[in-house]
Parts: sequence; C-alpha cells; structure tokens
Amino acid sequence: DADVTQTPRNRITKTGKRIMLECSQTKGHDRMYWYRQDPGLGLRLIYYSFDVKDINKGEISDGYSVSRQAQAKFSLSLESAIPNQTALYFCATSAARFPYEQYFGPGTRLTVT
Amino acid sequence: AQSVAQPEDQVNVAEGNPLTVKCTYSVSGNPYLFWYVQYPNRGLQFLLKYITGDNLVKGSYGFEAEFNKSQTSFHLKKPSALVSDSALYFCAVRDIRGSSNTGKLIFGQGTTLQVKP
Repeated sequence: DADVTQTPRNRITKTGKRIMLECSQTKGHDRMYWYRQDPGLGLRLIYYSFDVKDINKGEISDGYSVSRQAQAKFSLSLESAIPNQTALYFCATSAARFPYEQYFGPGTRLTVT
Repeated sequence: AQSVAQPEDQVNVAEGNPLTVKCTYSVSGNPYLFWYVQYPNRGLQFLLKYITGDNLVKGSYGFEAEFNKSQTSFHLKKPSALVSDSALYFCAVRDIRGSSNTGKLIFGQGTTLQVKP
C-alpha cells in the first residue's frame, strides 16, 4: 500500500461549491504539507502542519483552509471553489528531522467549472 | 531572496545519449538541494539530494547531479538516457526564510524530459 494516499484522485466541481481533499499517511511523519501544481509554475505551498496543533500558511493560502484531524490525516478545503483553483493538488509528509526529505501522494486533479 | 530556476521547459534527447536537466538556485547560506521526478498520473518521487560533501551526488534510477557552488547550479545528469526516463523533473531548494528547520521546499517550474527511441 502507498505510504501517502489522497482522495479523491479526480474531482470536477462547480464554482461556489465547498470541496474537501483528504490526505492520509502511514509513514509516521509529524509534518504534512499541501501544494498545488500549475503548468509552468512548479509546486507552490498552500499550508503546512508540524503536528496536530501547529498549522501554518504557505505562500498561497488565500481561498483555502486545512484541518489536521490526526497525525496521519491532513485535509484541504476550498470553501467556495473558483475556476482559478483548477489545478493538481499534492499532499506531502516529512519527518521532523534534518534533512526533512518530503514524500508525496499521487495527487488530486481538481477542475472547477 | 531564495529561488530556484529551471531554464528549460523541455529537454529532448535520443535514447542512449547522455542527458542534462539544468537547475540554478539563489539562497543565503548553505543550499540544500533536491531533485524529484513526476511520471504521468503519479506523485513526485525523490531522486537525490545534496546536503554537503562530494559535489557529485548519485541517486535513484542511475541519475546523478553535480553541485557547483561558484555557478550556483545543481544540474541533473544521466550517462545514457532511457525512454522510460521521460517525465517531468523538479529541482527544489530548502526554504530557510523565517526559520531554518521548517522543512519547506521551494520548487522550480519543472522541466519535461522527452527521450525518443
């Protein structure tokens, strides 16, 4: 089984809808991250969490919120989806020790129409 | 400011030929550099990292990368390309803005490698 899983893998939703993307990990890592990938822009950090009680904004957090329900679960929500949030979303984990190598899930392709 | 640049959107190479995917970086302090690969419909997979020590770093699938401090580069290389190496490659640097131990990464924009038979 994969160490980092994401659900759903694909989602099409309409403008204004609320949507949640979920991430689970079995690596036992404390740290979890949400990125979005857009063509030509690479990956950009949305939110990151060092443990259940420590959540931090990344460089593009506007329009998103997160919840760290447990060490193994980190979900990303779009409260009111808009078309420019159409992207590929990745969850990643890392141990809380140097060099903090990150392990990625398979991604969720989200389309907002 | 910290940044990573991959100057080529796409690199084309014939199978069996050597390949290079370029990456340059801008950081304050010691750079910690990473290469990841993304195969179609898959997440990013770790290839290799440079933390300190030997400037030539060996990684997975026969890839290696050369760290050049004077040129602030960390180019990914492979002596003999395979068709199966065709994928999207990302260079990343550890983000130390604010704190040096957040584990955050700054990614380049990605380079598509096409290996033709």
